[in-house]
Amino acid sequence: AQSVAQPEDQVNVAEGNPLTVKCTYSVSGNPYLFWYVQYPNRGLQFLLKYITGDNLVKGSYGFEAEFNKSQTSFHLKKPSALVSDSALYFCAVRDGLSLNDMRFGAGTRLTVKP
Amino acid sequence: EAQVTQNPRYLITVTGKKLTVTCSQNMNHEYMSWYRQDPGLGLRQIYYSMNVEVTDKGDVPEGYKVSRKEKRNFPLILESPSPNQTSLYFCASSLLGTGEAFFGQGTRLTVV
Repeated sequence: AQSVAQPEDQVNVAEGNPLTVKCTYSVSGNPYLFWYVQYPNRGLQFLLKYITGDNLVKGSYGFEAEFNKSQTSFHLKKPSALVSDSALYFCAVRDGLSLNDMRFGAGTRLTVKP
Repeated sequence: EAQVTQNPRYLITVTGKKLTVTCSQNMNHEYMSWYRQDPGLGLRQIYYSMNVEVTDKGDVPEGYKVSRKEKRNFPLILESPSPNQTSLYFCASSLLGTGEAFFGQGTRLTVV
């Protein structure tokens, strides 16, 4: 079965600095990878996904993610963090071979300080 | 508007009193799923469904039931709620394969 790991519970960055939220995955077939963001008292919102093609995927709010097959990683990045980016971020994976359910990581809380 | 609708948003109940949390989506998605979110534990899957009449257990199915009689609806049933089921619950739906998941607004359940 597929699985996702987010090794950091918490990431702190200063406003204007680049940010990275890490994600590694395990699947049997080709991975379909997703990032979601959760703001307080809200449901999860889709940010971006990797299905195939270019390893660098661009998404909403200036976020991007880089797919690295050899390292089985899909790290979320943003060149210049905003205070409003502070939220809980979830990585998710679906196995492209079996097309079964979507599994989520435990989440990483990003705090951007002014 | 494409959306996943959960009801109720907030619920306080007593131990042992059966309850149902409804989930409905208007996007004709095959896949639907229930998660619970607890501090420090992230998002844990309870049950999921690949299509009508097809359901399967997730990571934490004990104490929960689901049904998928229609494509748009996927209710979560707690036959005899207990305090350890106090949590924030999310329903999600997606197309199978490459589709991203759409989430409901969540149901905050308190069992006393």
